[in-house]
Amino acid sequence: GQQVMQIPQYQHVQEGEDFTTYCNSSTTLSNIQWYKQRPGGHPVFLIQLVKSGEVKKQKRLTFQFGEAKKNSSLHITATQTTDVGTYFCAGLTGAGGANNLFFGTGTRLTVIP
Amino acid sequence: DAGITQSPRHKVTETGTPVTLRCHQTENHRYMYWYRQDPGHGLRLIHYSYGVKDTDKGEVSDGYSVSRSKTEDFLLTLESATSSQTSVYFCAISESIPVSGRSGTGELFFGEGSRLTVL
Repeated sequence: GQQVMQIPQYQHVQEGEDFTTYCNSSTTLSNIQWYKQRPGGHPVFLIQLVKSGEVKKQKRLTFQFGEAKKNSSLHITATQTTDVGTYFCAGLTGAGGANNLFFGTGTRLTVIP
Repeated sequence: DAGITQSPRHKVTETGTPVTLRCHQTENHRYMYWYRQDPGHGLRLIHYSYGVKDTDKGEVSDGYSVSRSKTEDFLLTLESATSSQTSVYFCAISESIPVSGRSGTGELFFGEGSRLTVL
């Protein structure tokens, strides 16, 4: 069953506002991956975090892995229309493996120009 | 984008008919996956392959079978399609499986998707 929950499901922001999506797991995760899917497109890998408390930045995007490795967040500063899409987290459980990667339900971001 | 081609991209079929979706890669990656994407469920793993003729079940494998006779091709078959299998199917590839605590492993590259409607 679903092991990784993601909130919010939808988010509408004015262009220039910030945006954050949260990924939560009831169990400790080994790694967390983040993907972006543009409308009508396919998921594209953004980043992977593996350490407790890890923070990584990609331009306006900041990714964080919680200290307890049970949650993660993606924060976008000053959104642009190019940020539109659905953001998915994927949590890895246990020692790893192809069938231990569970995707969240995604957060669909709409940016109003 | 990684060299991944899915076919067909769109298909409408009737309940009870067999359907085969094809995934072709030009990256020579060892691992190939089939996911389905449904509203409210994100992406769920159906089957994956870790080499030619080596496959294993994922989270939602019931009603699906796969085959991999060549490194570059991974087929997904619905022996008798049902309306609950209406979905968007994504093929993915990776150089390695994700390993706990190791960055740079298990990064998935997805194909463009195949939209299947079962009437």
